[in-house]
Amino acid sequence: EVQLVESGGGLVEPGGSLRVSCDASGFTFSVYSMNWVRQAPGKGLEWVSSISSGGDYIYYADSMKGRFTISRDNAKNSLYLQMNSLTDEDTAIYYCARGSAAANKGYDYWGQGTLVTVSS
Amino acid sequence: IQLTQSPSSLSASVGDRVTITCRASQGINSYLAWYQQKPGKAPKLLIYAASTLQSGVPSRFSGGGSGTDFTLTISSLQPEDFATYYCQLLNPYPLTFGGGTKVEIK
Repeated sequence: EVQLVESGGGLVEPGGSLRVSCDASGFTFSVYSMNWVRQAPGKGLEWVSSISSGGDYIYYADSMKGRFTISRDNAKNSLYLQMNSLTDEDTAIYYCARGSAAANKGYDYWGQGTLVTVSS
Repeated sequence: IQLTQSPSSLSASVGDRVTITCRASQGINSYLAWYQQKPGKAPKLLIYAASTLQSGVPSRFSGGGSGTDFTLTISSLQPEDFATYYCQLLNPYPLTFGGGTKVEIK
């Protein structure tokens, strides 16, 4: 059974940093691209970042470029998102989602999400 | 590239045929997916490559279109279909989601 379990969310002050993680199981993690998607309270979905299976191709939404860093450890079956210079607009549930080698297949498995709250 | 969904919400009855539209600001071939999200839950993939039904998704869901105009159709709305639906650009980067369409019970 495919499982994605996010962790690391919590309360952080504006300007602070946080790293969220996603532990994967039930599939061969190293052959899939992986993604982060967030959702602010009561709002729609927002794509955050994607990383290819080997970690050599990385993409970010414009509003997160330079502040967020996606990475993965295929030996640990884990995906990470390092978030710096956080503002209240970064308050959201952060979901990790499995992609595929093909660009056109969408995200077929999602974690339950981890809540990041930026507030003083 | 921006995705514009319409309507932003709709009210429908069980058994109704429902169509949601997603318009891209420029041509994206068939690089589009559709998701369903229920309150407090993660999104669920329904359709990819604009018209391919994800495994396990009921056949009352269908997707169509290419280029700039896409549709998600539910042929006969069921009680479990009341949810919010999102389209997603799959290529090129940066990716984006549509604003969502909330399907409510009439």
